[in-house]
Amino acid sequence: EVQLLESGGALVQPGGSLRLSCAASGFTFTDYAMSWVRQAPGKGLEWVSGVSGSGGTTYYADSVKGRFTISRDNFKNTLYLQMNSLRAEDTALYYCAKDQGSTVNYFDPWGQGTLVTVSS
Amino acid sequence: DIQMTQTPSSVSASVGDRVTITCRASQGISSWLAWYQQKPGKAPKLLIYAVSRLQSGVPSRFSGSGSATDFTLTISSLQPEDFATYYCQQANSFPYTFGPGTKVEIK
Repeated sequence: EVQLLESGGALVQPGGSLRLSCAASGFTFTDYAMSWVRQAPGKGLEWVSGVSGSGGTTYYADSVKGRFTISRDNFKNTLYLQMNSLRAEDTALYYCAKDQGSTVNYFDPWGQGTLVTVSS
Repeated sequence: DIQMTQTPSSVSASVGDRVTITCRASQGISSWLAWYQQKPGKAPKLLIYAVSRLQSGVPSRFSGSGSATDFTLTISSLQPEDFATYYCQQANSFPYTFGPGTKVEIK
């Protein structure tokens, strides 16, 4: 069974940094692209970033480009999201999601999410 | 960026009803479209990808159709467990984008 367990969410001040992790199990991690998708409280879904199975290709939403960095450790079966220069509008539940293949397309399944709150 | 819109934003329906949700892309996305279901307090779940391909384990009462810019999700006979919010997502070009969601409520 595929399992995705996010961690690292916290309350952080504007301008601060945070690193999210997503521990994956139940599938061959290197064979699949992975993404981060967020959901602000009471709002819809926003794709944030994706990475190919090899880790060699990364993609970002315009709203986080230059501030967030996605990476993966295929030996530890873990996905990361380094978040710098955080803003109030980054407050959201951050989901890690597995893709259907080695390139970023469709997301299934998703983890349960980790909450990031940016506030002073 | 490709903008996704959904209509209606909410719909009230009864068990057994046929429900149709429409998703429109601001430019052509070929067949790169998915539908997700999200229940309160839960992570989204992939229902349909590539416009009409049913994800494994998803009941056949769910179906998708469309092409280019206009797409439809149909629930042929609404069941109690189908009351949720539904999102479309384009995977034609980065950054990927979701529609604003359609909430299916009990009448």
